[in-house]
Amino acid sequence: LAKTTQPISMDSYEGQEVNITCSHNNIATNDYITWYQQFPSQGPRFIIQGYKTKVTNEVASLFIPADRKSSTLSLPRVSLSDTAVYYCLVYKAAGNKLTFGGGTRVLVKP
Amino acid sequence: EAGVTQFPSHSVIEKGQTVTLRCDPISGHDNLYWYRRVMGKEIKFLLHFVKESKQDESGMPNNRFLAERTGGTYSTLKVQPAELEDSGVYFCASSPTVDRIYEQYFGPGTRLTVT
Repeated sequence: LAKTTQPISMDSYEGQEVNITCSHNNIATNDYITWYQQFPSQGPRFIIQGYKTKVTNEVASLFIPADRKSSTLSLPRVSLSDTAVYYCLVYKAAGNKLTFGGGTRVLVKP
Repeated sequence: EAGVTQFPSHSVIEKGQTVTLRCDPISGHDNLYWYRRVMGKEIKFLLHFVKESKQDESGMPNNRFLAERTGGTYSTLKVQPAELEDSGVYFCASSPTVDRIYEQYFGPGTRLTVT
């Protein structure tokens, strides 16, 4: 399974856009990219998933370039409640196990 | 719709004792997963059920861990006998087999402390 690399931590301020880039150089043709969010004392929560190009939902946008060797999660206008750990994961297919890395700890300041 | 629930939320046991963790997935979800995070480490996969069958148990650390999902509904994870290194947070997740099949819904976790 493709290994993912993402920043350990990022600081931001309320109202700003936060972009977290994840590298997955060895991604395979049948791999998908998904992002999860985890608050302290809670389980991870699905945010978004994609295969290529751009995906947007009510929470975030996911940008995937043509070579799919990286992806960028974009959180628009963050608030203090967006402080969490964000995980980038690559997985083979629905119903398969998720392989978590260290994630990116995002701290949103007032 | 009720989410994934786990019981207990926290368990403190002594080394050598037995503990059973329970997970109730979202109703109708055939896929059920167990993960755990031990102190300072990343979240690791333990095993995956499809209904009552073990689809993948490659992450189970050793034979002190036994997972069951009788009837394809709730699941239990028994640790017997518990060791100090088993301390950590055990997460359960479930996912459907139709519609939004790529999302895994996680429970809040059970924090296990072995002393």
